[in-house]
Amino acid sequence: AQSVTQLGSHVSVSEGALVLLRCNYSSSVPPYLFWYVQYPNQGLQLLLKYTSAATLVKGINGFEAEFKKSETSFHLTKPSAHMSDAAEYFCAVKEGSNYKLTFGKGTLLTVNP
Amino acid sequence: NAGVTQTPKFQVLKTGQSMTLQCAQDMNHEYMSWYRQDPGMGLRLIHYSVGAGITDQGEVPNGYNVSRSTTEDFPLRLLSAAPSQTSVYFCASSPPGLSADTQYFGPGTRLTVL
Repeated sequence: AQSVTQLGSHVSVSEGALVLLRCNYSSSVPPYLFWYVQYPNQGLQLLLKYTSAATLVKGINGFEAEFKKSETSFHLTKPSAHMSDAAEYFCAVKEGSNYKLTFGKGTLLTVNP
Repeated sequence: NAGVTQTPKFQVLKTGQSMTLQCAQDMNHEYMSWYRQDPGMGLRLIHYSVGAGITDQGEVPNGYNVSRSTTEDFPLRLLSAAPSQTSVYFCASSPPGLSADTQYFGPGTRLTVL
C-alpha cells in the first residue's frame, strides 16, 4: 500500500532563504511522485512530478525536487523564497498500476519579510 | 476548455438534509475522483470512477454516494448530512492511461453542516 509522510506541518522561512519541504513515501512498486501547491481558498495546482525519467525534477516557480530511492524521499526545494510562495504544499504518491493518488497531510509554508 | 468545474462554491446544510455536489470536466478524462480536505488531514479520497458506469470506494466513502452516467459529470451525493461532513470537497480528473498523468483539480466546494 502506498503512503506519504510530510515532515513538518508548518515551515517558516525568511524572504530570500532556502525553502526545504520534506516528503517520504512508501510504495510496493516504483512510484510516481507529485508536489501540489494550494494557495488560500483555491484548488490544488501541480508544481512538479517524478515519472522516472530523471531523478532531479524541475517545476514551476523555481521549485525542484530530487527523487532518492535509497532514502524513499522526494523533498521539495527552492533556493530563494519569495513572499508569493506562501501556501500549503502537498506531496502525493501514485503506484503505476493504480489510478489513486495518496496525499500527505500537507506543509504550510510561511514567508517572512 | 473550462477544465474541472464544481458547483456550488459554498453550501450550508442542516443535519439530516441531503444534497448533491456537482462536478464536470470538458477534457474527456476517463478518471474522476472526489476528495475531502480537513485541517491537518490532507486530502482523503471519497469515491472515484475510471469511466462512465464504473465507480468504486476510496478511503472515506461512508455517507456519500456517486454515479457516473457520462464521461463529463461525476456528482457526489450526501444522503443525510452530518456535522462530521463539514469540509472542503475537491473533484479531480485525469486522462486515460495508467501512468504519471496529472490529476486536475476543481476549485472546491466549502460545505458546512449545522
